[in-house]
Amino acid sequence: DIQMTQSPASLSASLGETVTIECRASEDIYNGLAWYQQKPGKSPQLLIYNANSLHTGVPSRFSGSGSGTQYSLKINSLQSEDVASYFCQQYYDLTFGSGTKLEIK
Amino acid sequence: QVQLKESGPGLVQPSQTLSLTCTVSGFSLTSNSVHWVRQPPGKGLEWVGAIWSGGSTDYNSALKSRLSISRDTSKSQVFLKMNSLQTEDTAIYFCTRSGNYDWYFDFWGPGTMVTVSS
Repeated sequence: DIQMTQSPASLSASLGETVTIECRASEDIYNGLAWYQQKPGKSPQLLIYNANSLHTGVPSRFSGSGSGTQYSLKINSLQSEDVASYFCQQYYDLTFGSGTKLEIK
Repeated sequence: QVQLKESGPGLVQPSQTLSLTCTVSGFSLTSNSVHWVRQPPGKGLEWVGAIWSGGSTDYNSALKSRLSISRDTSKSQVFLKMNSLQTEDTAIYFCTRSGNYDWYFDFWGPGTMVTVSS
């Protein structure tokens, strides 16, 4: 099984800041990675697929990058509505990262 | 538009069988695959299993012996059955859609809370 290590577990940042969340796979996943945002009491919502493609309707301040075993999600100009948990997910055995809880400082 | 909605009992007794239904609209079960994902309270997401557009299934290896996923394409419904339920199966159960070649989940249902308790 492919293991996904996501960091940090929690993050506190100020409005307008740029934040980065990372996922590391235990083996090469060839850009087969997606990122989701989950707000409290809601279902996850797709942000990024194929490591760097922005899903329809997602603000351009969200971006994904990476290759091989290392991937990251960047949120530019942090907004209050970005308070949520974020999860990565790899395509090969469909496992998720452990999540990052993002708060406003 | 694409929609998925889960339904089922909110409470199941230990050792009993869980039956959930996912009713979809806005797409065909023969064109997209449907997955089940669960989330214990306050915890992360766990892929449970899938029924692919061709009708074959795949299951999380840790749950495989207790799990069955099927569908009724005429009713646009996907069914999950999990037996021998334990308290650690308490979770929100989501159904979600993927394509057939890139396995990311582009639409999700609102989820249904299942509590395993006597």
